Amino acid sequence: RKEVEQDPGPFNVPEGATVAFNCTYSNSASQSFFWYRQDCRKEPKLLMSVYSSGNEDGRFTAQLNRASQYISLLIRDSKLSDSATYLCVVNKGNDMRFGAGTRLTVKP
Amino acid sequence: DTGVSQNPRHKITKRGQNVTFRCDPISEHNRLYWYRQTLGQGPEFLTYFQNEAQLEKSRLLSDRFSAERPKGSFSTLEIQRTEQGDSAMYLCASSSEGYEQYFGPGTRLTVT
Repeated sequence: RKEVEQDPGPFNVPEGATVAFNCTYSNSASQSFFWYRQDCRKEPKLLMSVYSSGNEDGRFTAQLNRASQYISLLIRDSKLSDSATYLCVVNKGNDMRFGAGTRLTVKP
Repeated sequence: DTGVSQNPRHKITKRGQNVTFRCDPISEHNRLYWYRQTLGQGPEFLTYFQNEAQLEKSRLLSDRFSAERPKGSFSTLEIQRTEQGDSAMYLCASSSEGYEQYFGPGTRLTVT
């Protein structure tokens, strides 16, 4: 079993749609959690940290369920510019583990 | 530009040759990481420095790979006797203690 698992997609959605990505992790001692965004042939860029209480940044909402070892990302009112691969990242100490990513394409 | 920089951006080499990549982190960051990423996969951790000390190495880092950060600033990653399986994007990231990692643009290695 992979340490961080994501549905690879692709998710193809129309502009304005709401889309949700899920991620599960295997190490119950994981301490911090992030979502990164990666555009084609570019480096990953931090989208948002994920806090136990859940957090929101504009159209993006992240949730963490430690009991189920599950992280989610919700994107509301999708824009064309949201098209990218979304990487779930789980951290314990200095050990960052990346999922393989979920690919999103937002279409006009 | 005060972000993480990497050089070269692209490297094509023949199997068996040695290659060296450089990473310049964000200046105030004391932590530096190297990752490898292949198509369709997320970045895989290779090694980590805190200041000049190499504190962690992945089992992915065979004895053909070596990394240094001699003065706690820039870092180099050397691959000796390259193999076709070494073809990948090599990413460097830096962070302050306890904070998020910021990635450089990567060095894309192609071994022919």
